[in-house]
Amino acid sequence: GAVVSQHPSWVICKSGTSVKIECRSLDFQATTMFWYRQFPKQSLMLMATSNEGSKATYEQGVEKDKFLINHASLTLSTLTVTSAHPEDSSFYICSARLPGQGNSPLHFGNGTRLTVT
Amino acid sequence: LAKTTQPISMDSYEGQEVNITCSHNNIATNDYITWYQQFPSQGPRFIIQGYKTKVTNEVASLFIPADRKSSTLSLPRVSLSDTAVYYCLVGLNQAGTALIFGKGTTLSVSS
Repeated sequence: GAVVSQHPSWVICKSGTSVKIECRSLDFQATTMFWYRQFPKQSLMLMATSNEGSKATYEQGVEKDKFLINHASLTLSTLTVTSAHPEDSSFYICSARLPGQGNSPLHFGNGTRLTVT
Repeated sequence: LAKTTQPISMDSYEGQEVNITCSHNNIATNDYITWYQQFPSQGPRFIIQGYKTKVTNEVASLFIPADRKSSTLSLPRVSLSDTAVYYCLVGLNQAGTALIFGKGTTLSVSS
């Protein structure tokens, strides 16, 4: 079964508004979660690494003031797209690893489809 | 992080075995090789991972030669539902370490 859950699965918002996407680890604690973005017919692109209790680490070219990440608990990371514009329309996916294992693959949520009108 | 190269697309028919090869010439000593499957509008789903030689699970096999500079995902007797994008990723499977996706291979299975 799923180990990482995202909410909502899809959202439509008007240009200029903000949207929050939640990523939860189910039945395990994740000190680190990863946020990816995927445009149509393209691969996943890593946006940022979310660290519980500290600031997120953003990949080059990703605006930290536009994509606010909060990892306030060991089971929840949120990504807020602020002042969204049509070019922010994309598929956002979070992921995490099961803890306590020396070799643990990434588990991904089912993604959130954001459409900005 | 090791870069991976895969064929952009592959076609197959139901019931056939499909082998997708991935090149990762600069794989590091501690890197693992992990394969994911992605359907449209869904997050990637873990298929299999390995470090060396051969790994088999209920859905696939992963063949890794001794030099580890490539790997082959083998899907036995594919069905229409195996039509998806397959990604080969190389990196450390440790907490705090992300994985970088390459372009993936779009597998199309026909009847």
